[in-house]
Amino acid sequence: EVQLVQSGAEVKKPGESLKISCKGSGYRFTSYWIGWVRQMPGKGLEWMGIIYPGDSESRYSPSFQGQVTISADKSISTAYLQWSSLKASDTAMYYCARQIDYGASFDIWGQGTMVTVSS
Amino acid sequence: EIVLTQSPGTLSLSPGVRATLSCRASQRVSSSYLAWYQQKPGQAPRLLIYGASIRATGIPDRFSGSGSGTDFTLTISRLDPEDFAVYYCQQYGSSLYTFGQGTKLEIK
Repeated sequence: EVQLVQSGAEVKKPGESLKISCKGSGYRFTSYWIGWVRQMPGKGLEWMGIIYPGDSESRYSPSFQGQVTISADKSISTAYLQWSSLKASDTAMYYCARQIDYGASFDIWGQGTMVTVSS
Repeated sequence: EIVLTQSPGTLSLSPGVRATLSCRASQRVSSSYLAWYQQKPGQAPRLLIYGASIRATGIPDRFSGSGSGTDFTLTISRLDPEDFAVYYCQQYGSSLYTFGQGTKLEIK
């Protein structure tokens, strides 16, 4: 079964760092782009960035450039999203998703990781 | 950056009727790069349509997509109770991806 499994919920304080993960299985992880999508409470979907695990090429939304870092470790089929200094406004659900070959759309989604930032 | 505007914001319909959801782009979008997703409360989004009109694997044929240029439509021919959810369109262009703000389809 093709799936993406994300790390568990996190509760952090402002200023702390965080790295969440997304592990792929059931397919060739290095052959598909993995995107990250933010969903703030009660709001819509926002594309943050994307990475190609085969060579770690990454692209970012202008809204998130410099705010987060996307990386991947192909040896363990895992992509990451990290923050160096969290803000309360980073409180959201974060999804990873696999991009299909045709059409730049996302066919397989992780279950989501809820990040809560509160003092 | 291409902005996608979905309408209506909320659509109240009864099971069994036809639903038509709109997605309008601020600039021309290649039909190859327009997708639709369904999201239910507490769940991750699910891909319904890609390439503007191609149903994703396992999606019932009551879901169809159409359109080109700047105007795209998702049609649900006969609403099933499980179809009441939020729907998002998404496009890719110039190395950027954007989502519409969503249409909530609720039971009337």
